[in-house]
Amino acid sequence: DAMVIQNPRYQVTQFGKPVTLSCSQTLNHNVMYWYQQKSSQAPKLLFHYYDKDFNNEADTPDNFQSRRPNTSFCFLDIRSPGLGDAAMYLCATSPEPGRSNQPQHFGDGTRLSIL
Amino acid sequence: GDSVTQMEGPVTLSEEAFLTINCTYTATGYPSLFWYVQYPGEGLQLLLKATKADDKGSNKGFEATYRKETTSFHLEKGSVQVSDSAVYFCALSDQNTGFQKLVFGTGTRLLVSP
Repeated sequence: DAMVIQNPRYQVTQFGKPVTLSCSQTLNHNVMYWYQQKSSQAPKLLFHYYDKDFNNEADTPDNFQSRRPNTSFCFLDIRSPGLGDAAMYLCATSPEPGRSNQPQHFGDGTRLSIL
Repeated sequence: GDSVTQMEGPVTLSEEAFLTINCTYTATGYPSLFWYVQYPGEGLQLLLKATKADDKGSNKGFEATYRKETTSFHLEKGSVQVSDSAVYFCALSDQNTGFQKLVFGTGTRLLVSP
């Protein structure tokens, strides 16, 4: 089955220690998104890639970076995690921009804990 | 800006009860509307969608009708099951943004007891 896969499901890191979360997709979608979801809140969009074009949300902290080496993979890098960055991180894909009637497809998320 | 408002939870029901979760939206363009469901410890799954006024989306016994006149997209199910316990998110995607940016409501937790 075509899908969005996130690894690992659970990640623990130390305060200030860089961490990378990964996402892969077999849907061959052009657009990949990263969301942050804190407990009992809605997902919050951090940024998205359309092919290799990176689009950052205005309120995404500089501490969060992303890389997309090819169509299938996208990484979320947190350079110096703080306690406030503990959350579920969700990756999603969609076929192409400008087609808002197409749903996004989500992975199961990575739950990040900060010690 | 665009926004989505959902009823606060948790919604607690007995099995086989009727479910309504209210959702209203504000948008400048002509949004597509979605309901996503999130089971514990998992990502979001698309439950249903509607892309224009008066469309009815339906899936797994759930349904919602896009009401432009009341800017609403309420989720309903005639008979809930314990397995429907989850968090439900209403969301919109505005065609004018140039890419599919989802605006989510705050989510409504549904708890169904046997």
